[in-house]
Amino acid sequence: AQSVTQLDSHVSVSEGTPVLLRCNYSSSYSPSLFWYVQHPNKGLQLLLKYTSAATLVKGINGFEAEFKKSETSFHLTKPSAHMSDAAEYFCVVSADVLTGGGNKLTFGTGTQLKVEL
Amino acid sequence: KAGVTQTPRYLIKTRGQQVTLSCSPISGHRSVSWYQQTPGQGLQFLFEYFSETQRNKGNFPGRFSGRQFSNSRSEMNVSTLELGDSALYLCASTNGDTSTHYEQYFGPGTRLTVT
Repeated sequence: AQSVTQLDSHVSVSEGTPVLLRCNYSSSYSPSLFWYVQHPNKGLQLLLKYTSAATLVKGINGFEAEFKKSETSFHLTKPSAHMSDAAEYFCVVSADVLTGGGNKLTFGTGTQLKVEL
Repeated sequence: KAGVTQTPRYLIKTRGQQVTLSCSPISGHRSVSWYQQTPGQGLQFLFEYFSETQRNKGNFPGRFSGRQFSNSRSEMNVSTLELGDSALYLCASTNGDTSTHYEQYFGPGTRLTVT
C-alpha cells in the first residue's frame, strides 16, 4: 500500500522568502506523485506531478518539487512566496493500476501555508 | 473546455434522509472518482467509476454508493444520513484509462451539512 506523510501541518513565511513544504512517501513500486493546492472554499488545483521522468518537476505559479528516491521525499519549494500562495497544500500519491489501484489517490494530511507581510 | 462541475454546491439534510450528488466530468474523461473531505479525517477516497463500472472502492460503509452513466456523468448517493457525513464531497475526473500518470481534475465540491 502507498502512503504520504506531510511533515508540517502549518508553515509560516514572510512574503518574498522561500517556501519549503515537506513530504515523504511510501510505496512498494515507482509511484506517481502530485502536489495539489486548495484555497479556502475552493476545489483542488494541481500544482505539479512526478511520473518517473525528470526528478525535478516544475509546476505552476513558480512551484517546483524534487523527487528523491533515496530519501523517499518529494518536497515542494518556491523561491519567493507571494500573499496569494496562502492556502492548504496536499502531497498525493497515486496507486498503480497494475496492483489494482486504478485511479485512487492517497492524500497527505495537508500543510497550511501562511504568508505574512 | 469546461471543468468538472458538481451540483448542488450546498446541501442541508436531516439525519436519516438520503442525498444524491451529481458530477459532470471534463468532456472526454471516462474516469470519475469521489472523495470526502472532513476536518478530522482529511481527504478520503470513496470510489472510482470507469466506463460505467466501479473500478475501485475505499473503506466506506455500504450507505455510500455511486453510479456512472454512459455519458460519464456520475452520481453518488448516501442513504440514512448521519451527522458524521457532513463534509465536502469532491469529484475528480481524468482521461487516464490504465495509467495512473494522468492527473485528476477536481470540481468545486458539494458541501453537505447533516443536522
